[in-house]
Amino acid sequence: QITLKESGPTLVKPTQTLTLTCTFSGFSLSTSGVGVGWIRQPPGKALEWLALIYWDADKRYSPSLKSRLTITKDTSKNQVVLTMTNMDPVDTATYYCAHTPSIAIRLDYWGQGNLVTVSS
Amino acid sequence: DIQMTQSPSSLSASVGDRVTISCRASQSVSTYLNWYQQKPGKAPKLLIYGASSLQSGVPSRFTGSGSGTDFTLAISSLQPEDFATYYCQQSSIPPPTFGGGTKVEI
Repeated sequence: QITLKESGPTLVKPTQTLTLTCTFSGFSLSTSGVGVGWIRQPPGKALEWLALIYWDADKRYSPSLKSRLTITKDTSKNQVVLTMTNMDPVDTATYYCAHTPSIAIRLDYWGQGNLVTVSS
Repeated sequence: DIQMTQSPSSLSASVGDRVTISCRASQSVSTYLNWYQQKPGKAPKLLIYGASSLQSGVPSRFTGSGSGTDFTLAISSLQPEDFATYYCQQSSIPPPTFGGGTKVEI
């Protein structure tokens, strides 16, 4: 079965760079159409899509955050990594990674989430 | 970006009630519309994709309808485990965007 799990820090300081890793199993990120995306959710607020990488290494970013985000994949390790630079307290959120089986993004499997707090 | 507006933002209902949640897109998304359910402290769960296709394992009391800019998620007979927050998400035009959520409460 498909599983995803986020890992990374729970606390970062303002201006620091956040690096999150999504480790998955049950599918290959070299299969046509498949993608892994990142979504975040500030406490008590709605979901916000951040970035996604497809099987062919095509990358998509949220326009409002594009300058701060980088998404990469390591197919051999079954991992997708998201980096976000210049962290601010407003970036405090639970960060999720999720699987989509098609280019028309539908997020059918999600990780458990990684709560990241930005504070000095 | 396409704006997704859900209504109502919250509703109160009882077990056995029929519940409908609306989602409106700021421009046409055809049928590239998904619905998710999220319970407190948990990741979202995909319920409906392509506006009306039921995700595997999701009970048939959940139905989705609509196309273009107006969509509806209906729960035919609300069960105790259905009390949660529901989100719509469009995948027609990048970037994919979510609605603000509808909280279904007792």
